Amino acid sequence: GAVVSQHPSWVICKSGTSVKIECRSLDFQATTMFWYRQFPKQSLMLMATSNEGSKATYEQGVEKDKFLINHASLTLSTLTVTSAHPEDSSFYICSARDQLAGDTYEQYFGPGTRLTVT
Amino acid sequence: GQNIDQPTEMTATEGAIVQINCTYQTSGFNGLFWYQQHAGEAPTFLSYNVLDGLEEKGRFSSFLSRSKGYSYLLLKELQMKDSASYLCAVMDSNYQLIWGAGTKLIIKP
Repeated sequence: GAVVSQHPSWVICKSGTSVKIECRSLDFQATTMFWYRQFPKQSLMLMATSNEGSKATYEQGVEKDKFLINHASLTLSTLTVTSAHPEDSSFYICSARDQLAGDTYEQYFGPGTRLTVT
Repeated sequence: GQNIDQPTEMTATEGAIVQINCTYQTSGFNGLFWYQQHAGEAPTFLSYNVLDGLEEKGRFSSFLSRSKGYSYLLLKELQMKDSASYLCAVMDSNYQLIWGAGTKLIIKP
């Protein structure tokens, strides 16, 4: 149980275009999902917290108009990188928290999406 | 500020035991997680400690001392597949995960 999927697993796009990444909780409901970015040899950097039915909470320094997050259902959150630039090339990982998991607050991670902007 | 410290890299021998330490200073504490991350893959959950003491799970054990702001992950009977980065993360008072930079563990035959 507790499986999170991401789509696509990798994407190459041209500078100036937009890319949408989907994150789905397959066998549980997730009121809260998290979007992370990870550059090579660095740790995870939280970009934003996505709550179902409400606006995402962005971390300091993350442009909300550039990284659009939509969490329209209990099993799906999307991250859209708008007007992508080469410096946006990174490994994007989502995670989800099972709302029925009680006090463990464990986050289940998706497999990640590798974005390359040319 | 909030801070998680763990060694950047460690090397150990196949079959041996290794201990990866993590010290933290956070605004509040709602538990400490250890995750394993292989290169190019997402992290996978290893352990969760919220009370002081040792939690054992197979070859992996995790220890927590809240008064010292300290945890360690102990890996026994090391296997080559244990070569990975090990991430320490603390859940703060807002239930947000604060991540350490990760410890790259290299296993040699």
